[in-house]
Amino acid sequence: GEDVEQSLFLSVREGDSSVINCTYTDSSSTYLYWYKQEPGAGLQLLTYIFSNMDMKQDQRLTVLLNKKDKHLSLRIADTQTGDSAIYFCAEAARDDKIIFGKGTRLHILP
Amino acid sequence: DVKVTQSSRYLVKRTGEKVFLECVQDMDHENMFWYRQDPGLGLRLIYFSYDVKMKEKGDIPEGYSVSREKKERFSLILESASTNQTSMYLCASSLLGQSSYNEQFFGPGTRLTVL
Repeated sequence: GEDVEQSLFLSVREGDSSVINCTYTDSSSTYLYWYKQEPGAGLQLLTYIFSNMDMKQDQRLTVLLNKKDKHLSLRIADTQTGDSAIYFCAEAARDDKIIFGKGTRLHILP
Repeated sequence: DVKVTQSSRYLVKRTGEKVFLECVQDMDHENMFWYRQDPGLGLRLIYFSYDVKMKEKGDIPEGYSVSREKKERFSLILESASTNQTSMYLCASSLLGQSSYNEQFFGPGTRLTVL
């Protein structure tokens, strides 16, 4: 069935780039997403990419999609303390559902 | 500003109690979802609804039921709360259909503890 896998933790020094990786199984997904969850809050859509694109850039965020390998990545340039959060990779599924990964907790080191 | 609200941020109940978690959205969305979030398990879909009085089971519906009497409100019911239902519960809503990138909007969550 549909599944989204991502590592659970990532530590990065402030000012460095963070790269969060994800693999998914459903090659028919039209959209892939990155959601962000800050402490004590619900999830919020950070960015998304349509399946016919390879890359999407939005200020400090770069999303790369490799459809052949079913691999999605999120790069955050110049990581700041405010980027500390849980990042969920997700894919669009049938019937308007979204399948979420388990989330990667990004920890920022001073 | 779009909004999904949940009735409580924190809730403490006793085993065997009936528990109601309420979710309201003001975006006129057709779809509404209930998830639970547990450490190391991510988000798991409990139930979802496409329309008023419509409901579909998600991946872990056992021990839960839902009610959608009005478009803006989706309630999650624990008929007889058990300790393994201690969790963070997240409600979300989205537009119906594939015409958009189908963003789900989330509420702030309800942290339920069952003693």
